[in-house]
Amino acid sequence: SQQGEEDPQALSIQEGENATMNCSYKTSINNLQWYRQNSGRGLVHLILIRSNEREKHSGRLRVTLDTSKKSSSLLITASRAADTASYFCASPGRMRFGAGTRLTVKP
Amino acid sequence: GAGVSQSPRYKVAKRGQDVALRCDPISGHVSLFWYQQALGQGPEFLTYFQNEAQLDKSGLPSDRFFAERPEGSVSTLKIQRTQQEDSAVYLCASSLVGKGKSTEAFFGQGTRLTVV
Repeated sequence: SQQGEEDPQALSIQEGENATMNCSYKTSINNLQWYRQNSGRGLVHLILIRSNEREKHSGRLRVTLDTSKKSSSLLITASRAADTASYFCASPGRMRFGAGTRLTVKP
Repeated sequence: GAGVSQSPRYKVAKRGQDVALRCDPISGHVSLFWYQQALGQGPEFLTYFQNEAQLDKSGLPSDRFFAERPEGSVSTLKIQRTQQEDSAVYLCASSLVGKGKSTEAFFGQGTRLTVV
């Protein structure tokens, strides 16, 4: 299976700003899932977007999916210090996890 | 419980010792995945079960690694003759239906293995 690639590798913003991170992949998928991982903790499922969907919202999260470009983006609006974590994209079983985007939100 | 449960949370093993890591998936979940995560890296796929069948074990790094799920629920990842490079967090995830279908995969908190 191919691996997802998150971009950028690291992102540092001020509280209240928006954070955008991107994911690219090479294999065909039925869905794409975004996860958050706080240091030393397990992965928390954030949102799933199906291959026939282009955009999905959940609270302060907005995910887009472009299957023609094999890319996805995760937007976190009005960021908070508690959003500081690593973010991963994957399609478990179809696509491996990349190294993630390390987001730091400064208070 | 409501989530995926892994035990132990922490394990220290002497080099050469065998270890067994347990995963209790969410009840009724068909798919179960094991991942290995080194510090600062993303999770690396190890193996995948659909019910009791191990359908993909391409990620197991060596024949010292063995996983089973005999009754299609609880799974055990066994590492024989542990080496220092086996030190990592081992994550288990489960999802409701089969591989590639559109359901969320839920992760446990992981087992942190340190080989000394």
